[in-house]
Formats: sequence, C-alpha cells, structure tokens
Amino acid sequence: GEEVAQTPKHLVRGEGQKAKLYCAPIKGHSYVFWYQQVLKNEFKFLISFQNENVFDETGMPKERFSAKCLPNSPCSLEIQATKLEDSAVYFCASNKRFRGRNIQYFGAGTRLSVL
Amino acid sequence: DAKTTQPNSMESNEEEPVHLPCNHSTISGTDYIHWYRQLPSQGPEYVIHGLTSNVNNRMASLAIAEDRKSSTLILHRATLRDAAVYYCILRDTTGNQFYFGTGTSLTVIP
Repeated sequence: GEEVAQTPKHLVRGEGQKAKLYCAPIKGHSYVFWYQQVLKNEFKFLISFQNENVFDETGMPKERFSAKCLPNSPCSLEIQATKLEDSAVYFCASNKRFRGRNIQYFGAGTRLSVL
Repeated sequence: DAKTTQPNSMESNEEEPVHLPCNHSTISGTDYIHWYRQLPSQGPEYVIHGLTSNVNNRMASLAIAEDRKSSTLILHRATLRDAAVYYCILRDTTGNQFYFGTGTSLTVIP
C-alpha cells in the first residue's frame, strides 16, 4: 500500500487485559518503527525492525511489551496485562532505507485507553 | 543523541509568512535536519529535510545556518490548515529512530 496502515484506530482495555496493535508498512519499505506518544507532544521510541528482524529495541519496556514483524503479515505490538500508564497513542512508521536522509512515513496511530 | 531546541508555541496571521526556528548546537557533520509536523489527531507528516544547503519544496523552505547549529522552517503563506505542532529532528547517517523533542505548536489566526 501507499500509506502506513494502523489498526485499530481506537482500543479500550480494562487494566490487566491484553492489547494488540497492528501496522502494515508501505509496500517495499524494509524498516518499521514503533513510537509511543503519551503526553501531547512527547514521543518515545519503542522498537524498530529490519524486515522481520529486531533492529533496535532499546526503548521497549522489558516486561509487558513485545513486537513482531512476520513475513506477509502486518507487524504487531502487544501489551500483556495493560496498566493505566500504557494509555497513549501508538504510532508506527516505515522507511525504505536506513540512512539519515530517508523520510519516515507515519501511520495515523492507535489510541489505547486503559480503564 | 543530538538534541534540538524549539520555542513551545508561535502565532501567525493567515496568509503571512512564518519562520519557525530550531537550535541544534550539538549537530554533527553527518546529521540531516528533518522537519515534520503533526496535525491534530494525526500522525507526524514529513515537511522537508536538508544537510547543508537551503532547500525548497512545495510545502516549505528550509534555511540552514552556515555553521549548521540552527535552522529555520519557512512557511511562505500560512493557512489555517498549517496549524500543527512542528518538530525539528536530527537524524544521523545510521538513520536510527527519530528523537522528536517537544516541537513548536503553531496557531494560525484568521
């Protein structure tokens, strides 16, 4: 596709429930990034993939968060046992190559509300 | 991580030019300067990027200081649709994740 597609748009979970978010990168893009936007302007990098391989996971909370990018499937970000503090908008981005000049294309985000 | 500093907010009248400044005094020689904007309830959107020379595209112009320690995003005629948070981001040659900073919230006054 010509845009990064994120689903669902909104997700509501009770505290302790599992949440799973999906991202289909632009066709032909090898790199996928996940970001978390908690406060209005603040983005936190979570993890990046090169195809199905984890490239950088320095931002991932170790315990409850996991992510995958499998061949021929949307990438996914899963949160086990959600907490109130996980409420945020989660953005996925993709780009073609891993160089400083390359543009990242962002999806519209998934808003997760943990009640 | 190379850091950027931007004013928290700015205002502009509709149809007037807007100059959005960004300081990046710790920039390295291989860092590209990227500008993205985030409209309300949307994901960040690419605006423009450059390395050393000034750049123009259909959306905006990017003026880069000679020492590269600062840059300015120029919107030539602000419209109401340009109201957004504008982020100045440095991206090195390893092309790793973006470090967004807090951005500048632009209000366009009709």
